Amino acid sequence: ETGVTQTPRHLVMGMTNKKSLKCEQHLGHNAMYWYKQSAKKPLELMFVYSLEERVENNSVPSRFSPECPNSSHLFLHLHTLQPEDSALYLCASSQAWDSTDTQYFGPGTRLTVL
Amino acid sequence: GQNIDQPTEMTATEGAIVQINCTYQTSGFNGLFWYQQHAGEAPTFLSYNVLDGLEEKGRFSSFLSRSKGYSYLLLKELQMKDSASYLCAVSLSYNTDKLIFGTGTRLQVFP
Repeated sequence: ETGVTQTPRHLVMGMTNKKSLKCEQHLGHNAMYWYKQSAKKPLELMFVYSLEERVENNSVPSRFSPECPNSSHLFLHLHTLQPEDSALYLCASSQAWDSTDTQYFGPGTRLTVL
Repeated sequence: GQNIDQPTEMTATEGAIVQINCTYQTSGFNGLFWYQQHAGEAPTFLSYNVLDGLEEKGRFSSFLSRSKGYSYLLLKELQMKDSASYLCAVSLSYNTDKLIFGTGTRLQVFP
């Protein structure tokens, strides 16, 4: 596989469920990102990992918990979500944690919270 | 605060030329990205402008004026497959190294 992959592509969960989103990049990049994309809103940066260390956390509620076990994999663990958390969750990677580096995005996970 | 503005929606005809504008007011500026995102798909990189002026890449060109806080994406010889959202994103340098996105412009190309 090439590029950035994400699984699952679609997820429906109840407010009491626990689930995880997975992202994998095959580009040899050192930085990985989680974004939230809601309708009619800009992409919101949630977390940044550089060389497996979290370097940015944009005041995201604790019901979202990221994990980066190695430079190729990134997870977003979800628990006790709210309906307003329904959105498209995009993973991206770049060569380095540098805002001038082109970011390569995965196709996203469409999350619906009931 | 950081602010990026772009039109919400635009329509155009196949074969025509369309210009999508983006204005920004930010603290710190490295450069400006344009991404294309088809419905249900990943955003894909189109261009990155650092210096003032026009950069051409095939049917797509991107322009930047740093003094005016203004950029545009120019799409020529429009094709149906160009129907997508176009995201403007500013690379910031002041106090934090991050990318700030606009809301995106949804372009519909009609035959």
